Order: sequence, then structure tokens, then C-alpha cells
Amino acid sequence: DSGVTQTPKHLITATGQRVTLRCSPRSGDLSVYWYQQSLDQGLQFLIQYYNGEERAKGNILERFSAQQFPDLHSELNLSSLELGDSALYFCASSVEANQPQHFGDGTRLSIL
Amino acid sequence: AQKITQTQPGMFVQEKEAVTLDCTYDTSDQSYGLFWYKQPSSGEMIFLIYQGSYDEQNATEGRYSLNFQKARKSANLVISASQLGDSAMYFCAMREAFPSSGSARQLTFGSGTQLTVLP
Repeated sequence: DSGVTQTPKHLITATGQRVTLRCSPRSGDLSVYWYQQSLDQGLQFLIQYYNGEERAKGNILERFSAQQFPDLHSELNLSSLELGDSALYFCASSVEANQPQHFGDGTRLSIL
Repeated sequence: AQKITQTQPGMFVQEKEAVTLDCTYDTSDQSYGLFWYKQPSSGEMIFLIYQGSYDEQNATEGRYSLNFQKARKSANLVISASQLGDSAMYFCAMREAFPSSGSARQLTFGSGTQLTVLP
């Protein structure tokens, strides 16, 4: 158990819809990262938050947004969903720069 | 830009034998970190081992060791005494330079190596 909690584990929805993925980092970890894993793109970094502030953006679409709340949990919002958004979405957290990132079990998103 | 290359899409190893999974990287940073993660078929990502670019000794964690050759920009994972439970996808990843702000940075992943341990 990594200590990072992601909900829901599975999500099935239709094109055009909007979903919210939730992540609770390990206790004490200030940084939260979101990654997308798809068959064609592999594992790609989406966005990072540190203590409530956005710190880095990767290959995140404009239809996607995220935030980190005062209690340090984070949400990833995906809107106007397309078939190509079907993927495994991971949240990871770390306490500081020289420590490993620990991943949650992921949310598997299926767009029908 | 960073790049991680894992040239072995799939590997087979006999139970109880050792196996080496290759990883090469490309970066212009002097300070960076290298990681290996394991992803079983159930999907979760499990952290295995970490090597800092300034670490003089190769990292070890139980049956896992990292063969770090900085001049060759390689960070191969060695699994000793393979077990059936080691069958999984293995990812090499790199984190860019230690930022002055103190906040951690994102990982760049390779394409992975699917390891199958044979009984």
C-alpha cells in the first residue's frame, strides 16, 4: 500500500461528458502529480501541484483541469470527453524533491 | 529535453535466475534522479529503487540493484533470484534537476519492459 488513495477505481462514461477524479496524497506529502497512461502514448505527465499551487504542466489538454485543496487532496477534472481519453489516470505524491514519487492504484477511465 | 530508452519490449527469465533490464537516458542536467517502477497486471505502480546522479554507490533494495554507469548514461535494473511474482511491466524513469524551490518535479518514463518469469 503506497498510502496514496485514488477514487473511483473504475469509471465508465460517454463521449461529451465530464468526470472528476480524486486523489488523497500520503500523509505529509505536499506535492501531487497526475499522469495518464494510455496504450499509444505510454505514461505521460499531466500536471503537478505543490502545497495548493500549480507548479508544472505537461501534456495536459485544455479540456482537462486540476486543483489541490487546502487539505492537500487533489482533483482532476476531465470535460468534453472523447474516446481517446480512455486511459489509466495515476496520481502520485512525494514529500520533497529528492524523495521518490509514490503512486496510487489509478483510476481506469473508459469512454463509450 | 529528457528521454528514457528501454530497448527490451519483453524479457523472459527462469525462476531463481538473475535478470538485467536495460535503461539508457539522455539529459543535459548535471543533477537528476533515476527510478524504477513495477506495474503488475493489476495496474498499480510500485516504486522499486532510486539512484541520484551524484550517488557514488549503486543503489540496492533487497533483490533489486541498479547498475548505474553515468558516463554511458545507463541505469540498468538487476533483479536477483527471480520469483514468479516478479512477472510484470517494469518502467525506468528520470526526474529533472533538483529545483532551487525545493518542490519535486515530474517523472519522464520509458516505454517499459514486460518481464515474464518462467517456472
